[in-house]
Parts: sequence; structure tokens; C-alpha cells
Amino acid sequence: GQNIDQPTEMTATEGAIVQINCTYQTSGFNGLFWYQQHAGEAPTFLSYNVLDGLEEKGRFSSFLSRSKGYSYLLLKELQMKDSASYLCAVMDSNYQLIWGAGTKLIIKP
Amino acid sequence: GAVVSQHPSRVICKSGTSVKIECRSLDFQATTMFWYRQFPKQSLMLMATSNEGSKATYEQGVEKDKFLINHASLTLSTLTVTSAHPEDSSFYICSAREAGDTGELFFGEGSRLTVL
Repeated sequence: GQNIDQPTEMTATEGAIVQINCTYQTSGFNGLFWYQQHAGEAPTFLSYNVLDGLEEKGRFSSFLSRSKGYSYLLLKELQMKDSASYLCAVMDSNYQLIWGAGTKLIIKP
Repeated sequence: GAVVSQHPSRVICKSGTSVKIECRSLDFQATTMFWYRQFPKQSLMLMATSNEGSKATYEQGVEKDKFLINHASLTLSTLTVTSAHPEDSSFYICSAREAGDTGELFFGEGSRLTVL
């Protein structure tokens, strides 16, 4: 079956760095997405990886290893507003999005 | 977790025809459902918010007469793309929020529409 795994919850300190991991097993691969979602709001797009390597975008970076079925989202210089859920999603060979359950990130002062 | 199912997952139609996409919450009641579209390598774009028993709220730039949304029950919302054209080809995804919950959204698998 198809599966996306990511930690349920993580805690980090304001100003620090945190890495959220995502592993996947899917039938085919057409890209991996990371979304941020604040409680009660629609998710917002953070990154898209389809080739191996690191994509950097400001304070956020996303890494992909297709051979390992692994991705991570790296958040630097954490701010309180970064407290949210982070969703990992993989688009399979049928262009269907397989979603992880999300990682709730709690930022402490 | 809660399950949201979309149907069909893929559809190909001729220009000028209408296509209906269903979004169902299988094990919970969804007072609010969201419809998104997504172009390749781009973010999900919220199209409209659908509340059970009332008219949908459309985002700016989304034609309500072209993208008809019906949320007749607590477990079903439908999106009908009327008089579809090739530029409507996209990936449409719905999400649903459980009644009375704290705001967590559950997403459908998505529906890929190709208009010839």
C-alpha cells in the first residue's frame, strides 16, 4: 500500500533550527510537496521537490532523496508564527496526492 | 484519521461539456469543505469554501457560474465545471473540516481533469 510517515509532533525553541522528516512508499513518484497549515486555515504551499537534492527558499529548505524515499523540511531562525502543522504529500504515478498526517510544530520562547 | 474521498480521480472530456467532481467525507460530518485547483509544480489555489446548506464562498477571480458548488449534505460536496475548456485542465482537490472540531482539515485524493 501507499504510505507517508512523518512525526506527529515536534517542539523547538524560537531562533533555533528544526528538521521535519518524511518517508514515503508510493506507487510511482511525481513530486513531493510540503505545506504549512495554521489551525483553522487552508494549507499554504511551502515547497516542491521532484529531483534529488536541496531546495532553499529563505528560512525554509526542503531535501529529497528518491532512492531512499525520504524528504525533510528544514526551518531556520524559528519564529513563533512558525507554530503550525506541516504536511508532507507525494504525487504518485496516477497524479494522485498521497498525504501524510502532518507534523504539529510547537515553538517555545 | 478521518477519510475524504474524491471521485473521479481522473476525467477526460471534450471542450464544451460539463464535469462533476464529488467530495465525500466517509466517516465524519463535514460542515465545511474546500475546493482547490493546482497547476503542475504550483501551490494549491483555494477556489471556494463550501458550507452545508448555504451558498459557497468563492475566492476572488473564480467564476461562480463556471464552477458550480453544491454542498447539500454533511458528507457530500460537488464541484461542477461547466462548459469546460482546455484551460480548465488542472488538478482539483477538496478538503473537509469536521463539524465542531478545532479546525483540522482532511484532504481528498484529488481529481485530474483534462479537457480536450
